[in-house]
Amino acid sequence: EPEVTQTPSHQVTQMGQEVILRCVPISNHLYFYWYRQILGQKVEFLVSFYNNEISEKSEIFDDQFSVERPDGSNFTLKIRSTKLEDSAMYFCASSDRTNQPQHFGDGTRLSIL
Amino acid sequence: ILNVEQSPQSLHVQEGDSTNFTCSFPSSNFYALHWYRWETAKSPEALFVMTLNGDEKKKGRISATLNTKEGYSYLYIKGSQPEDSATYLCAFRVRSNYKLTFGKGTLLTVNP
Repeated sequence: EPEVTQTPSHQVTQMGQEVILRCVPISNHLYFYWYRQILGQKVEFLVSFYNNEISEKSEIFDDQFSVERPDGSNFTLKIRSTKLEDSAMYFCASSDRTNQPQHFGDGTRLSIL
Repeated sequence: ILNVEQSPQSLHVQEGDSTNFTCSFPSSNFYALHWYRWETAKSPEALFVMTLNGDEKKKGRISATLNTKEGYSYLYIKGSQPEDSATYLCAFRVRSNYKLTFGKGTLLTVNP
């Protein structure tokens, strides 16, 4: 069964550095999403992306964050000037239509030191 | 602010027991309710997407019901098995946007 893949599985970065989290969504999907889960808290929405542009973003998704689909397969989340509070599990998801399930990757655990 | 609540927070049952848990969500502007099964160190696995009031969905021993007027959904597991042990997440979507708003989940442990 096709799946969403995320790399790396774990990223450790010094505070203030930039990180890029990578995702390969399911190939025929058109809608892409990033979520995160801070330890002990709910999974929270960051951003959705459709037709090469952001379709919706949360209040968390400020100028520190950006997303890109640089080619036909990858979907990336860039976090600039990382802060301690950015430490979380980041999940990528994709769906073929908005009323279909969002399929999640295994996540990238981001640790900011 | 949309709030999705799940209860109980955790549940321990014996193999063979049937169990159920609840997801509560705002009843206004409803679009869809998603259920996910999430095992540790794996990705959340989609179980159901429910859209219509009175919807009932079934996948093997797992089933779910939906009441959009009062804002709740129940997930039932019949004859629980140890491999059913996981966190069960529900997520709510309103009509006007794409995002899923998640509950905190119910952690189910099935003892052999």
